[in-house]
Amino acid sequence: EIVLTQSPGTLSLSPGERATLSCRASQSVSNSYLAWYQQKPGQAPRLLIYGASSRATGIPDRFSGSGSGTDFTLTISRLEPEDFAVYYCQQYGTSPRTFGQGTKVEIK
Amino acid sequence: EVQLVESGGGLVQPGGSLRLSCAASGFTFSSYAMSWVRQAPGKGLEWVSLIVGSGASTYYADSAKGRFTLSRDNSKNTVYLQMNSLRVDDTAVYYCAKGGWGSYWYFDFWGRGTQVTVSS
Repeated sequence: EIVLTQSPGTLSLSPGERATLSCRASQSVSNSYLAWYQQKPGQAPRLLIYGASSRATGIPDRFSGSGSGTDFTLTISRLEPEDFAVYYCQQYGTSPRTFGQGTKVEIK
Repeated sequence: EVQLVESGGGLVQPGGSLRLSCAASGFTFSSYAMSWVRQAPGKGLEWVSLIVGSGASTYYADSAKGRFTLSRDNSKNTVYLQMNSLRVDDTAVYYCAKGGWGSYWYFDFWGRGTQVTVSS
């Protein structure tokens, strides 16, 4: 099973700042099949990025994904108030498909 | 607009059964795989089960194998998760999720979830 480790656990930032979230896999993620989701309290997750770097429909361009192999990054270029949430990565290239434990982006 | 509406959750005793439903609209249902993903209280996300668009194949997490059965009725745009032999650690919000374009295995739309509580 591929274990995804997200860091940091919590990121304390102010609106307008840049957020950099890491997702490290215990083995290579095939075909860069890595997705990122955003979840706000009491809500369902929302797909942000798939294929490591492709933005989902309707996702603002301040969200970007990068990486390959075992190291992936989600970058939010300038935090908006609605971006404070928990972010999960998921690898979907190898069975069982697994999620990271999440990174909380909170207001500083 | 894609909509996924889950139902069927509730409180059940250990060893009991529940059937969850997910009614879908806004897309060609039979063309897409559908999954259930759960989230235990205060925890992260765990994929549970997937069914391909035709219904011909299903996949299960180890935690669900032998206890859960996923099916779909493409005439009703609905998927069903039959959960038997429920355990306390099955307690979670269960989300229905639509498989993405190009791969079954990422999820581009999610329902709001239904709460399953297993407790005596």
